[in-house]
Amino acid sequence: SQTIHQWPATLVQPVGSPLSLECTVEGTSNPNLYWYRQAAGRGLQLLFYSVGIGQISSEVPQNLSASRPQDRQFILSSKKLLLSDSGFYLCAWSAKGGYGGTEAFFGQGTRLTVV
Amino acid sequence: DAKTTQPTSMDCAEGRAANLPCNHSTISGNEYVYWYRQIHSQGPQYIIHGLKNNETNEMASLIITEDRKSSTLILPHATLRDTAVYYCIVRVAKGDYKLSFGAGTTVTVRA
Repeated sequence: SQTIHQWPATLVQPVGSPLSLECTVEGTSNPNLYWYRQAAGRGLQLLFYSVGIGQISSEVPQNLSASRPQDRQFILSSKKLLLSDSGFYLCAWSAKGGYGGTEAFFGQGTRLTVV
Repeated sequence: DAKTTQPTSMDCAEGRAANLPCNHSTISGNEYVYWYRQIHSQGPQYIIHGLKNNETNEMASLIITEDRKSSTLILPHATLRDTAVYYCIVRVAKGDYKLSFGAGTTVTVRA
């Protein structure tokens, strides 16, 4: 069966420090991968999505970047965190579309607090 | 992806059916209707999806109107654990890999 791992669960970082959040998927190959952010009391904002190794699409201009060095690994990074980067970060995967549609599966999220 | 419109919030009594509406009047013929929910402080959870036929699984039923411009998610016997934000999304099965969530409906199940 497929599983998605996201870590760490919580993180407190000072302003100006770097960030690296990692997400890995098991039990599938060539998935679509996604990073979302949810600010406190707000909806889910799609940050990045990837359809393959090295292929990253950015949805919003921001202080963050994403990379996909391996098929089932998705990394969210920042060189210098801002207070506004605080939020709940979620990684997700979905299979490549086909007849019948495909659902997305989410990790448990990382709660980032920038202080 | 077509846009969706959902009520901001709704209350439901425990043990009763919860009917969550979603309008998607600009849906295209190749777009599916998906429903997810997000319980507080957790990642979203897939519930159900459909194209034009009504669908049912162990969690819910999805009723799609004949013109496909709206749908209703039915939780047959709501429990307190069903309190969550429910998202209705329309998207194609393949070719467009974005998965964008709107504001959703905050459903509160009351004892």
